[in-house]
Amino acid sequence: RKEVEQDPGPFNVPEGATVAFNCTYSNSASQSFFWYRQDCRKEPKLLMSVYSSGNEDGRFTAQLNRASQYISLLIRDSKLSDSATYLCVVNARAYNTDKLIFGTGTRLQVFP
Amino acid sequence: ETGVTQSPTHLIKTRGQQVTLRCSSQSGHNTVSWYQQALGQGPQFIFQYYREEENGRGNFPPRFSGLQFPNYSSELNVNALELDDSALYLCASSRGGVDQPQHFGDGTRLSIL
Repeated sequence: RKEVEQDPGPFNVPEGATVAFNCTYSNSASQSFFWYRQDCRKEPKLLMSVYSSGNEDGRFTAQLNRASQYISLLIRDSKLSDSATYLCVVNARAYNTDKLIFGTGTRLQVFP
Repeated sequence: ETGVTQSPTHLIKTRGQQVTLRCSSQSGHNTVSWYQQALGQGPQFIFQYYREEENGRGNFPPRFSGLQFPNYSSELNVNALELDDSALYLCASSRGGVDQPQHFGDGTRLSIL
């Protein structure tokens, strides 16, 4: 089982649609969770951290379910500029090494 | 505020050669992490440097090594290059550990022939 699993997509949605991405992680000891965005042939950029109580940033809402080891990202009122790959990221600690584990990413394409 | 810069942007090498990639961290950041991103995959953690010492390592062989300098800039060295080493190499800096937001450079695209 992969440490962080995401549906690779692509998700093709019209402008204005609401779209949700899911992610599961295997390490129950993980404490830090993030969503990063990566545009084609560009570097990943932090979209938002994910907190236990859930958090919202404008059109973006992130949720964490520790019991199910599940993270979600909801995008409302999709814009053309939201087209990108969304990477689910989780920290993992083993043998005194704390590292970030990236999922393979979910590709979103918003069309007019 | 100066962002993370990496050099070179592109590099072509042949099997068996050695390569050094460079990274300047964002001002105020004392931790540098290196990642390998193969096509269609997410970034894979190689290692992290803090205060000039390796502070964590992923599942990469010893021929992947690194350095961090007093100004927090860093190098990634790869010896005995293999075809599978072809990838985008990303450097990320942060204030502290991996629970802090990572600021990535544009990456170095390495092609092995």
